[in-house]
Amino acid sequence: GQNIDQPTEMTATEGAIVQINCTYQTSGFNGLFWYQQHAGEAPTFLSYNVLDGLEEKGRFSSFLSRSKGYSYLLLKELQMKDSASYLCAALDSNYQLIWGAGTKLIIKP
Amino acid sequence: NAGVTQTPKFRILKIGQSMTLQCTQDMNHNYMYWYRQDPGMGLKLIYYSVGAGITDKGEVPNGYNVSRSTTEDFPLRLELAAPSQTSVYFCASSPREGWNEQFFGPGTRLTVL
Repeated sequence: GQNIDQPTEMTATEGAIVQINCTYQTSGFNGLFWYQQHAGEAPTFLSYNVLDGLEEKGRFSSFLSRSKGYSYLLLKELQMKDSASYLCAALDSNYQLIWGAGTKLIIKP
Repeated sequence: NAGVTQTPKFRILKIGQSMTLQCTQDMNHNYMYWYRQDPGMGLKLIYYSVGAGITDKGEVPNGYNVSRSTTEDFPLRLELAAPSQTSVYFCASSPREGWNEQFFGPGTRLTVL
C-alpha cells in the first residue's frame, strides 16, 4: 500500500531551528511536496523535490533521499507566524498526490 | 485575480439531504481537484478533472459526483448526505498534472447531522 509518515506534533522555540521528517512508500515516485497549512486555512505550496539533495528557499529548506524514501523540511530562525501544520505529499506513478496527516508545529516565545 | 474560490464556507445538512459545493478558478488551469480533509488525517482525493468534459475518480469517490462543463468551474455534488461526509472540502487547481504546485481554495466546512 501507499503510506506517508510524519510526526503528529512538534514544539520549538522562536528563533531556533526545527526539522520535520517525512518517510514515504508509494507505487512509483515522481517527487515530494511540502505544503504549509495555518489553522482553518487552505494549504499553500512550500517546496517540491524530485532529485536527491537539499533545496534552500529563504528560511525554509527541503531535503530528499529517494533511496531511503525520506524527506525533511528545515525551518530556520523560527517566527511565531510559522506555527502551522506542515503537510508532506508524495507524487506516485499515476501522478496522484499521496498526503501525510501533517505535522502540527507549535512555536513558543 | 481571485485564484480558486469556493462557496459556501460553512454548511449544515441533515442526513439524506443533497447539496452542491461550488468551485471556480480564474487562472485558466486545466487540472482541478476535490479533496476532503478529516481531523488528524491527510487530504483524500475525491475526484479530479484534466480539462472541460473530462473527470475521473480519486481515492474516495463514493457518495459524490462531479461535472466539468467549463475550464473555470468544477462543482461537487453530494447526494443523500451521511454523517461520514462531515469534513472540510478543498478544491484545488494546477496548470498541468503532477509536479506542478496545486492552488487551493479556502475550503467548505460541512457538517451532516
